[in-house]
Amino acid sequence: EAQVTQNPRYLITVTGKKLTVTCSQNMNHEYMSWYRQDPGLGLRQIYYSMNVEVTDKGDVPEGYKVSRKEKRNFPLILESPSPNQTSLYFCASSSRGGLSTQYFGPGTRLLVL
Amino acid sequence: AQSVSQHNHHVILSEAASLELGCNYSYGGTVNLFWYVQYPGQHLQLLLKYFSGDPLVKGIKGFEAEFIKSKFSFNLRKPSVQWSDTAEYFCAVIPNRDDKIIFGKGTRLHILP
Repeated sequence: EAQVTQNPRYLITVTGKKLTVTCSQNMNHEYMSWYRQDPGLGLRQIYYSMNVEVTDKGDVPEGYKVSRKEKRNFPLILESPSPNQTSLYFCASSSRGGLSTQYFGPGTRLLVL
Repeated sequence: AQSVSQHNHHVILSEAASLELGCNYSYGGTVNLFWYVQYPGQHLQLLLKYFSGDPLVKGIKGFEAEFIKSKFSFNLRKPSVQWSDTAEYFCAVIPNRDDKIIFGKGTRLHILP
């Protein structure tokens, strides 16, 4: 089954404790991206990746890092999480960036205390 | 800056009522347009998209949208809503075949049974 998976689905952590949210897709998509969803703000893009070893900042990259060492994986790293990063995070992938449909993962709900 | 505006943040309708959700974007060039739906507790799914051709686009579950270039609009419509249409709806735009997708802030639709 074609899908985007994220882990963990729920995470509670404390300020400053590094964490990684994994994202994996099995559709051989080149394009992957991370979004955060906040009430009243909709979806905002954090980072995106056009292909392996190619990443670029989205609209709200501060406080986040990403890497794309393999085509299928695109982890989101919070080196020193802060409470303002409490949010719902979605990973998405597509075959040709803007020219095709994005497939979204199930979301990761993060609470930073 | 490029932006997407969804005029209604919350909409409440009774079953069988007609629906129209507004979406306007602020980019003068060629655009790709999308509507995504997020059912309660689920991830985003594509409802419909417009790349070129007939400006009236039909999507899943009886939804359609009309691209009006002169008004920079891509409004979503459904002639008769159902309780199962309760969800949050996001309009999204990709300007000039770019790879950066811009989402609106979403419209939360609540259908009364």
